[in-house]
Amino acid sequence: QQQVKQSPQSLIVQKGGISIINCAYENTAFDYFPWYQQFPGKGPALLIAIRPDVSEKKEGRFTISFNKSAKQFSLHIMDSQPGDSATYFCAASMDDYKLSFGAGTTVTVRA
Amino acid sequence: DAGVTQSPTHLIKTRGQHVTLRCSPISGHKSVSWYQQVLGQGPQFIFQYYEKEERGRGNFPDRFSARQFPNYSSELNVNALLLGDSALYLCASSLRQEAFFGQGTRLTVV
Repeated sequence: QQQVKQSPQSLIVQKGGISIINCAYENTAFDYFPWYQQFPGKGPALLIAIRPDVSEKKEGRFTISFNKSAKQFSLHIMDSQPGDSATYFCAASMDDYKLSFGAGTTVTVRA
Repeated sequence: DAGVTQSPTHLIKTRGQHVTLRCSPISGHKSVSWYQQVLGQGPQFIFQYYEKEERGRGNFPDRFSARQFPNYSSELNVNALLLGDSALYLCASSLRQEAFFGQGTRLTVV
């Protein structure tokens, strides 16, 4: 049973455009929601994370929006660059325990 | 400051063999977790260790085992390898919920 559902599976965006990835969760006990970026052959790298007491968090070109009542959160990548082409995973955890990952979104940024 | 280091980076084993994967966490991190990532999927939780004690285990068979040493490094052991065990094995060390992953060990079972 997948605890975190992620969409879309893949997306293509033009350079300078906005990439939006959505995730939904069921377990209301989750208290930490990170996003990871993974390049082929590499381990996931922590990109940005949010806790449920905050509705939005921005770090550079990356923004997380969090909707606690809808049990949804999303990643926005502004001014997308070719170097952003990677697979992005949302995840959720509680009490510093295991991360439950989404299935991943492959983002391709066309120059 | 060094990140999470895993060894080896690549490994080829034959069905039925045993494998040991190693992980050194970030200095100061006492929690180490192991994940299996099959191509095209998100990582799946295998084990978490905190202060040398097993804190939790994912839905993996008993062929998978792990331990954490006094210096907080960790080993993942897999016995009686199956073709389906071929995957990228990831180690993560964490502090206050922020989990940082190593580059992984690519295991191929033939």
